[in-house]
Amino acid sequence: DGGITQSPKYLFRKEGQNVTLSCEQNLNHDAMYWYRQDPGQGLRLIYYSQIVNDFQKGDIAEGYSVSREKKESFPLTVTSAQKNPTAFYLCATTIGVNSPLHFGNGTRLTVT
Amino acid sequence: KQEVTQIPAALSVPEGENLVLNCSFTDSAIYNLQWFRQDPGKGLTSLLLIQSSQREQTSGRLNASLDKSSGRSTLYIAASQPGDSATYLCAVQPTRTGTYKYIFGTGTRLKVLA
Repeated sequence: DGGITQSPKYLFRKEGQNVTLSCEQNLNHDAMYWYRQDPGQGLRLIYYSQIVNDFQKGDIAEGYSVSREKKESFPLTVTSAQKNPTAFYLCATTIGVNSPLHFGNGTRLTVT
Repeated sequence: KQEVTQIPAALSVPEGENLVLNCSFTDSAIYNLQWFRQDPGKGLTSLLLIQSSQREQTSGRLNASLDKSSGRSTLYIAASQPGDSATYLCAVQPTRTGTYKYIFGTGTRLKVLA
């Protein structure tokens, strides 16, 4: 089955700890994105990557880091510098301009 | 700066009714507009994509229109069913801010009553 796999589905961490969210795709898409969704707000772009070994900051990159060493994988690290990390995190991919955006099922991160 | 607005934030209708969801955007310089569906606790599913040169797209009971000059799109759902209950989001892909970025609205939460 082609698709996007995000893991884990739920993640709990203590304040001050870094945590890495996984996003893997077998759609052979070049572009990958990380979005954050908070109740009552639209999706906000954290980072995106258009090609392997290259990525750009989105609108709310502070406190997050990413890597793109393989086409299939785009992990997101939420660092202790992120002031309000509790949220629903969504990974997405697309083959290019004017092609549909495909989403994984998300990871819900709770930091206490 | 491109902004995307969806009004109303929530909508309840009886089963069988035809309904229209609205999406407006401030900058007409877009590659395309997409409509998505999101079920609670899940990711988004792409429903329809309208390229900037197109006026509408149809899929089953769904029809999306685009009026770029006025910055508006509508999603028409015919003969609504309880299974259509979900949050519907629209997103535009601006030409000015980089090829691969999307700007999302906050969504309309739809409830279809049986």
